[in-house]
Amino acid sequence: AQKVTQAQTEISVVEKEDVTLDCVYETRDTTYYLFWYKQPPSGELVFLIRRNSFDEQNEISGRYSWNFQKSTSSFNFTITASQVVDSAVYFCALTLSMDTGRRALTFGSGTRLQVQP
Amino acid sequence: DTAVSQTPKYLVTQMGNDKSIKCEQNLGHDTMYWYKQDSKKFLKIMFSYNNKELIINETVPNRFSPKSPDKAHLNLHINSLELGDSAVYFCASSQRPGLEEEQYFGPGTRLTVT
Repeated sequence: AQKVTQAQTEISVVEKEDVTLDCVYETRDTTYYLFWYKQPPSGELVFLIRRNSFDEQNEISGRYSWNFQKSTSSFNFTITASQVVDSAVYFCALTLSMDTGRRALTFGSGTRLQVQP
Repeated sequence: DTAVSQTPKYLVTQMGNDKSIKCEQNLGHDTMYWYKQDSKKFLKIMFSYNNKELIINETVPNRFSPKSPDKAHLNLHINSLELGDSAVYFCASSQRPGLEEEQYFGPGTRLTVT
């Protein structure tokens, strides 16, 4: 069984603050993929990043950065100098490799980020 | 240019009715998906088609039937609608099959069953 936990249901920050969204996952497999998706108020889901289990290098894309730590089964997402446009629900997700022959895509329950001006 | 489009955006209907939601992608992707997002924002995959062939069929009532006339379209037909079917339904596509692929989502269809 696999599971994704986003313990923070809602976070509110003031513009320009840094904020970290936590994601903890569970899987018995050694090959898996982790994702972050953003769902702004308009409703559509937007892909942000994918990371496979063999790549523990942290990633930075502009104000966004991701910290993948297999030792703690976490894939946290940090927004630096947050902006009002970052207000959205953010989902972490986990899937197994196709090679396992098993298909399951599990989303966390989402974290609602509210950035106040 | 809309990559993944869904119609209608809103659908209000009564219990017992049959309804369809249409999805089209113009990305040239081989694989398409349907997801359900409930009122608590919980997202669950329902189906996946690769090149018109069903490859994922999660535990979904058989009142839900996906139909893929070609690889650019994946429609969702729901029979005998129930109150619990009220949710936002998302269509998505990816270039290749495999849930490890990056997916592109449509804008969602908010279904309300009264």
